[in-house]
Amino acid sequence: DQQVKQNSPSLSVQEGRISILNCDYTNSMFDYFLWYKKYPAEGPTFLISISSIKDKNEDGRFTVFLNKSAKHLSLHIVPSQPGDSAVYFCAASGRTGANNLFFGTGTRLTVIP
Amino acid sequence: GAGVSQSPSNKVTEKGKDVELRCDPISGHTALYWYRQSLGQGLEFLIYFQGNSAPDKSGLPSDRFSAERTGGSVSTLTIQRTQQEDSAVYLCASSFLRDTQYFGPGTRLTVL
Repeated sequence: DQQVKQNSPSLSVQEGRISILNCDYTNSMFDYFLWYKKYPAEGPTFLISISSIKDKNEDGRFTVFLNKSAKHLSLHIVPSQPGDSAVYFCAASGRTGANNLFFGTGTRLTVIP
Repeated sequence: GAGVSQSPSNKVTEKGKDVELRCDPISGHTALYWYRQSLGQGLEFLIYFQGNSAPDKSGLPSDRFSAERTGGSVSTLTIQRTQQEDSAVYLCASSFLRDTQYFGPGTRLTVL
């Protein structure tokens, strides 16, 4: 069973506009959430994270929002740039046990110049 | 400041053969993880090493899969008697304690 879900396999956005990538999770024990960006033939690159004690974390053009009651998080990229085109993975973990990450299936973002 | 490295980058093998995949974590990182990504899927956790503790093998899909971590650093993932469904990208990640995991470029395994 997929505990982290990214229901949109792809997203296209015009350069300069906002990109919003969504992620839902089912396990209420998750308390740490991350976004990774992946280019072809490369491993995932850490982008931004958020702890469950917060509802927002911002780093430059990237902001992650967490809605614990809805078990939903989103990544906002503004303004979007062509170099942002990649596959974005949402991941979650509980800070107990192995701390292994549970990943969504990814959303391919294409930023159109 | 080298990142996580993995070798080989690509491996093609015949069904039934054994393969070994190598991971060199970031120096000083205490935790090491193996994941795999099958076509069209998210990353799937396989095994976790933390310091000198016994590894968490809960994600290994069968007893054909094993991994070891020598000297708290380099790790080898071994797949015995490979099957076609083992074809995937195998990714290694390391972290300091429970901090952010940093991934290597992966090994693409193709079983013919």
